[in-house]
Amino acid sequence: DTEVTQTPKHLVMGMTNKKSLKCEQHMGHRAMYWYKQKAKKPPELMFVYSYEKLSINESVPSRFSPECPNSSLLNLHLHALQPEDSALYLCASSQDPNEQFFGPGTRLTVL
Amino acid sequence: GIQVEQSPPDLILQEGANSTLRCNFSDSVNNLQWFHQNPWGQLINLFYIPSGTKQNGRLSATTVATERYSLLYISSSQTTDSGVYFCAVDVTGNQFYFGTGTSLTVIP
Repeated sequence: DTEVTQTPKHLVMGMTNKKSLKCEQHMGHRAMYWYKQKAKKPPELMFVYSYEKLSINESVPSRFSPECPNSSLLNLHLHALQPEDSALYLCASSQDPNEQFFGPGTRLTVL
Repeated sequence: GIQVEQSPPDLILQEGANSTLRCNFSDSVNNLQWFHQNPWGQLINLFYIPSGTKQNGRLSATTVATERYSLLYISSSQTTDSGVYFCAVDVTGNQFYFGTGTSLTVIP
């Protein structure tokens, strides 16, 4: 099974809302990733959890907060987002270091 | 940081034609993957190919790590091959950088 699942598929939120994106994998992978992809652009790495250690892309604003409750789950907490944060958010996992597998993504719209 | 450039940026093909997509990178890499992103945004794994040559049906890929490039070959293209093709490279371990992408349209 090479499946990574993400929920929700679509999310619309206001700038004052707090919401969370969820990602799950059951491949026993020890590295999980969040990427952000704007229209007609390549995905950009936001966060990496590898063996429960977090690495951050320093350009990511603090209104995005990752959480890794266990090695199979990865959350992305969203707070006080801006309209320019509207994008496709992709989760991936890999057996560190190795081939990445991506989930279907969450399309986020911030009003 | 590492630069990952893909060419051509856009490609329109007649169904049945062959094509070659290129990925150039500016530094030594540990890993390299090719993906196809479908119109719904799903990234589909095509090849994990840090070096050498692999084939899967009508697709094949070659990475020449010493010369810092990778090629993706698509033969006998089909309309379902349409979408965006990305290469992604890993320099330090768990730090993947995506290329600029090639948008492919296959017309019947």
